[in-house]
Amino acid sequence: DSGVTQTPKHLITATGQRVTLRCSPRSGDLSVYWYQQSLDQGLQFLIHYYNGEERAKGNILERFSAQQFPDLHSELNLSSLELGDSALYFCASSRAGGFTDTQYFGPGTRLTVL
Amino acid sequence: GENVEQHPSTLSVQEGDSAVIKCTYSDSASNYFPWYKQELGKRPQLIIDIRSNVGEKKDQRIAVTLNKTAKHFSLHITETQPEDSAVYFCAARISGNTGKLIFGQGTTLQVKP
Repeated sequence: DSGVTQTPKHLITATGQRVTLRCSPRSGDLSVYWYQQSLDQGLQFLIHYYNGEERAKGNILERFSAQQFPDLHSELNLSSLELGDSALYFCASSRAGGFTDTQYFGPGTRLTVL
Repeated sequence: GENVEQHPSTLSVQEGDSAVIKCTYSDSASNYFPWYKQELGKRPQLIIDIRSNVGEKKDQRIAVTLNKTAKHFSLHITETQPEDSAVYFCAARISGNTGKLIFGQGTTLQVKP
């Protein structure tokens, strides 16, 4: 157990819908990262938040948004869902701004869009 | 652009043999290179990492080497065991004020008993 928690574990929804994935970092960690893992794409970086502030963005679709709250938990919002959004979504946390800190991954949320 | 190439995509070895996985990266300013192991349906778990100020790091049966000039790094697993079977990902931290990691495409390692 890495200490990073993610809810829900599984999510099944329909195209066009909107979902929210939640991540709680390890105690004391200020950085949260979101990654998407699909079968043919490997692990793709989506976004990095540090202490409530966005630090970096990957190839994140405009339909996706995220935020980190004052208690440091983070939410990833996916809207107008398409079949291709089906994937495992991982969050990871690290102690500080991230530079060479170890990133610990949560158990992931498996999203299935039908 | 930011890119990490990983080879091979699949690797099958006999128990007790060594396994080597190689990665190359594009951002010459990258300074942190972790390796993650992922079992089916589970989260990636860090197995070893190396920072750019060292050329080699070892932890029991696992070692990582880094060649900054050539921009490549490798994972070496000795005396492989069936429980080493998993997907292994290399990653590189890009330059800038972030810990953003670019991952390789993964190597599926099968260790045959």
